[in-house]
Amino acid sequence: QVHLVESGGGVVQPGKSLKLSCEGSGFTFSNYGIHWVRQAPGKGLEWVAMISYDGSNKFYADSVKGRFTISRDNSKNTVNLQMNSLTAEDTAKYYCARVYFEWLMVGWFDTWGQGTLVTVSS
Amino acid sequence: EIVLTQSPGTLSLSPGERVTLSCRASHSVGNSYLAWYQQKPGQAPRLLISATSMRATGIPARFSGGGSGTDFTLTISSLEPEDFAVYSCQYYGGSPLTFGQGTKVEI
Repeated sequence: QVHLVESGGGVVQPGKSLKLSCEGSGFTFSNYGIHWVRQAPGKGLEWVAMISYDGSNKFYADSVKGRFTISRDNSKNTVNLQMNSLTAEDTAKYYCARVYFEWLMVGWFDTWGQGTLVTVSS
Repeated sequence: EIVLTQSPGTLSLSPGERVTLSCRASHSVGNSYLAWYQQKPGQAPRLLISATSMRATGIPARFSGGGSGTDFTLTISSLEPEDFAVYSCQYYGGSPLTFGQGTKVEI
């Protein structure tokens, strides 16, 4: 069964850093593009970043560009999101999601993790 | 950037009713790059529709998607109790991917 599991969330002070991880199982992880999507409390979904199946291409939302870095380690079936210079506006549940088609970077998301909560507060 | 605007924000309906949700794009997105997701409280989004009108695996036939260009719809032909949730449209044709703000369907 295809699964994505996020980890690494927690409470962090403004200006600090946090690293999220997304581990995949039940499929050939190295064949799929992975995205991060976040949802602030009571708000809609916001796309954050994406990485190609081999890690060679990465794109970011303007709201996180220059502060967040997405990376992957296919030997560990993991995609990471390094988040620096966090602000209260980054408070959200962060989901990772898999693109439906193998090898493609963009597409609809057929599999989502359950999310990990990031709270930025002093 | 493609901005997606969903309307209405909230709908109050009863089981058995037919409902059509709207998703309007700021620029034409083509027929292949629009998806719909359902999200219940405390849960991750679930794919309902891809490429404007393709139902995802396991999605009941009462859900249907349509539209083209800048105007898209999600129709639920007869609401079941489990359909009360938030529905979001998504553009996935390129970076940045974008989501609508969601429509809540409540009892």
